[in-house]
Amino acid sequence: EPEVTQTPSHQVTQMGQEVILRCVPISNHLYFYWYRQILGQKVEFLVSFYNNEISEKSEIFDDQFSVERPDGSNFTLKIRSTKLEDSAMYFCASSETSGSSYEQYFGPGTRLTVT
Amino acid sequence: DQQVKQNSPSLSVQEGRISILNCDYTNSMFDYFLWYKKYPAEGPTFLISISSIKDKNEDGRFTVFLNKSAKHLSLHIVPSQPGDSAVYFCAAQEGGATNKLIFGTGTLLAVQP
Repeated sequence: EPEVTQTPSHQVTQMGQEVILRCVPISNHLYFYWYRQILGQKVEFLVSFYNNEISEKSEIFDDQFSVERPDGSNFTLKIRSTKLEDSAMYFCASSETSGSSYEQYFGPGTRLTVT
Repeated sequence: DQQVKQNSPSLSVQEGRISILNCDYTNSMFDYFLWYKKYPAEGPTFLISISSIKDKNEDGRFTVFLNKSAKHLSLHIVPSQPGDSAVYFCAAQEGGATNKLIFGTGTLLAVQP
């Protein structure tokens, strides 16, 4: 069964450093998403991406964040200068298309620890 | 911003019995609802969904009920199995141009053998 994959599973970085989290969405999916879950809190939407551009982003997704689809398979989330409060599980998701009735399928997540 | 609420942080059920997980929402623009299951160190796994034009959707042991007037939905698992032990998240989506899912805080279900 097709699945979303993410690498690395765990990333430790120092405050102020740049990190890139990688995702390979399901191959026939067209919409891609990043969510995060801070320990003990809800899963929160960060950004959605379609046709090589951001289609929607949350207030969390400020200038320190960027997303890219550098080739036909990968989808990346970059945090330019990490802060302690960026420590969280980051989940990539993909869906066949947009709007209601098209479920989003999630990857296993990357645990980001900022020290 | 508590648009989607799961008021029970945990639930314990005997194997073979029914598990009922509840979810309330406040945004009347939501038109699609989903349940996800999550094991530790894994991502959320899609379980079942329901459109706002329906009041029930069934898939095997899982049934989701939607009461739009009460802004309430529930997930029924019958019969419950030990492998169902996980955190269950309710999520909602508005219609139109937005794709984002709004998640509840989750309910930890423990199915006792």
